[in-house]
Amino acid sequence: DAKTTQPNSMESNEEEPVHLPCNHSTISGTDYIHWYRQLPSQGPEYVIHGLTSNVNNRMASLAIAEDRKSSTLILHRATLRDAAVYYCILFIYNFNKFYFGSGTKLNVKP
Amino acid sequence: NAGVTQTPKFRILKIGQSMTLQCAQDMNHNYMYWYRQDPGMGLKLIYYSVGAGITDKGEVPNGYNVSRSTTEDFPLRLELAAPSQTSVYFCASSSLLGNQPQHFGDGTRLSIL
Repeated sequence: DAKTTQPNSMESNEEEPVHLPCNHSTISGTDYIHWYRQLPSQGPEYVIHGLTSNVNNRMASLAIAEDRKSSTLILHRATLRDAAVYYCILFIYNFNKFYFGSGTKLNVKP
Repeated sequence: NAGVTQTPKFRILKIGQSMTLQCAQDMNHNYMYWYRQDPGMGLKLIYYSVGAGITDKGEVPNGYNVSRSTTEDFPLRLELAAPSQTSVYFCASSSLLGNQPQHFGDGTRLSIL
C-alpha cells in the first residue's frame, strides 16, 4: 500500500511559483515528511522536511495540512535547474524506515 | 568535501556471480542506508544501519547482505546475482534517524545478464 501519493508529472513556467502536492492519509503523529529531488543520473538531493508546522529554507517551503494527511512543496520561483523528479517521503517512526513514493516529474518551461 | 562515495559507478555481472558494492561516508554519520531504484520508480530500502555492528532489513532485503564494521563503511553484498537485481543502487547516510536529511551518493548502475 502506497504511503504517499503524488501526481506523475507537472509543468511550470520559469520564474513562476510551483506547488507540488502530496497525499499521505495514513500518516501518524510521529512520522516525518521529507522532500527530495533527483536530477537525471544523480542521487536524490534533500530539499526540506517537517513534522507538523510549515517550514521554510533557502530552497523551498513546506506547507503541511492541519490534519497532516497532505502536504505541499512550494518552489517560490522556478528555474530551469529545478526541473527534476520530486519525491515526497515519509519516515515511519514505528518501523524506523523511509518510504519513497513514485515522485512527480517537474518540467520547467522557459 | 567528499560526502558519500560509492564504488564502482557501473558494473555488469553474469547470473550467479557475486560482488560487493562499496559505500563510504566522511561525515561521521551513525545512520547509513542502501536503496535500489528500478527504472521510472522511486527508491526502495534494502538495508540500513544505526551504527557500527548494527544492521536491519528494509523493504526488499532478499538476495542481499550487509555488514557495518566501521562508522565510515557500509558495503552491500550480492551473493548470487539474478536479472531481477538489475537496478541503480544508492547509498545514503544521516546523523539522526528520521529527523535529519539523508545525504546520497551518486549511485552504482548494476546490470545482470
